[in-house]
Amino acid sequence: AQTVTQSQPEMSVQEAETVTLSCTYDTSESDYYLFWYKQPPSRQMILVIRQEAYKQQNATENRFSVNFQKAAKSFSLKISDSQLGDAAMYFCAYRALMYEAGTALIFGKGTTLSVSS
Amino acid sequence: AAGVIQSPRHLIKEKRETATLKCYPIPRHDTVYWYQQGPGQDPQFLISFYEKMQSDKGSIPDRFSAQQFSDYHSELNMSSLELGDSALYFCASSPLAGGHNEQFFGPGTRLTVL
Repeated sequence: AQTVTQSQPEMSVQEAETVTLSCTYDTSESDYYLFWYKQPPSRQMILVIRQEAYKQQNATENRFSVNFQKAAKSFSLKISDSQLGDAAMYFCAYRALMYEAGTALIFGKGTTLSVSS
Repeated sequence: AAGVIQSPRHLIKEKRETATLKCYPIPRHDTVYWYQQGPGQDPQFLISFYEKMQSDKGSIPDRFSAQQFSDYHSELNMSSLELGDSALYFCASSPLAGGHNEQFFGPGTRLTVL
C-alpha cells in the first residue's frame, strides 16, 4: 500500500523568508501524481501545487515550488517570500493510477506552518 | 467559477441518530469523492463514484452508505451515529478532462455527534 510521510509536525518561518516542508512517499507505481494542499483555519482544502511523476522538471506556482526526487521518493515544498497568509496546515498527497476516475488521494499527517512578522 | 457545494455546512446529531450529507459537484464533473477528517488528523478517503457507479472504497464504516444520482450529485448516509463520527466531511469532484487527476474540494460539512 502507498504511504505518505511528513516528518515535520510543525514549522515556523519569518515573513519574507523561505521555508521548506518535507514529504516522502512509498509506492511501487511508476506513474502517479503528487500534490501539496493548504488548509487554513477555515479548513478549506486548497490545492497549492501538483507534480506529475513522469515530468523531471520541478513544478512551480509563483512563490511555491517543489523539489521532486523520484528515485528518492521525496517531494518537498519550498515557500519563498513567506507571507502571513501562508500560515496553515500543509498536506502532501499522493494519487496513483493516473487518468483513472475515482482513485483516492492519500494524505500525509500534515505540517502546521506558522509565519511571524 | 462554480465550486463544489456541500450541504448542510454544519450538522449536530445525537448518538444513534442518522444523518445525510449532500454534495453537488462542479458542472461537468462526473466523479465524486468523500473524505472524513477528524480533529487534528489528515483527510481519510471513504468512497468515490464515477458515472453513478461506485469506483473505489476506503475506510467507510458499514453504517455509512453513499450513492451518486443521475444529476451527478451524491449523498452520504450515516446511521447509528457514534461520538467518533464527529468530523469534517469533505466532498471533492473531478472532471474527465485532465484525466481526473485533480480533485476539487468543497467547503466541508462539520458533523458533531453529541
